[in-house]
Amino acid sequence: SQKIEQNSEALNIQEGKTATLTCNYTNYSPAYLQWYRQDPGRGPVFLLLIRENEKEKRKERLKVTFDTTLKQSLFHITASQPADSATYLCALGHSGTYKYIFGTGTRLKVLA
Amino acid sequence: DAGVTQSPTHLIKTRGQQVTLRCSPKSGHDTVSWYQQALGQGPQFIFQYYEEEERQRGNFPDRFSGHQFPNYSSELNVNALLLGDSALYLCASSLAGTGGTGELFFGEGSRLTVL
Repeated sequence: SQKIEQNSEALNIQEGKTATLTCNYTNYSPAYLQWYRQDPGRGPVFLLLIRENEKEKRKERLKVTFDTTLKQSLFHITASQPADSATYLCALGHSGTYKYIFGTGTRLKVLA
Repeated sequence: DAGVTQSPTHLIKTRGQQVTLRCSPKSGHDTVSWYQQALGQGPQFIFQYYEEEERQRGNFPDRFSGHQFPNYSSELNVNALLLGDSALYLCASSLAGTGGTGELFFGEGSRLTVL
């Protein structure tokens, strides 16, 4: 069955450093991959989308890579700030379906 | 510009009861999806509504049903509640024209507790 794995343990990093979050998937060939941020008790908020034919996408301090051979996406936050502390979810989709498959999320804590 | 609104924000029910959750999509959006998020888990797709029809359904039993109204708002109904139905129910709106690849705009969710 389709499976998405994200770092199950919380990631603690020092303010100003680069945070790198991983999303690995099996038994699936997504056409695109999205990253969302979720704060406690709130709904997810869209951050970035990357398609299967794109290797890298950037938006301000955020960078996403997508390696369909390794079946992996990396999500980077450069110059991290305490306000970046949240849970980050990856979601996979395909043009033949309307549903998104979400990972369990990685909790990031940026220490001041 | 109003985003996605959901009601109620919190509710408590007992096993066997029925619940109805409501969602108004973001202005201009015509497609509504419902997701269930258990504690510590990622959202799981329940179903999507477009043009008042259920367009796709996830792996959820028939106890979960929905409806979309002409103004694009939507309801999620869950019958014969089980303890395992306790979760955060998220409504997400999008534009059908994005072909299923567009970003989802989520509401803040309805937190359901089944005792």
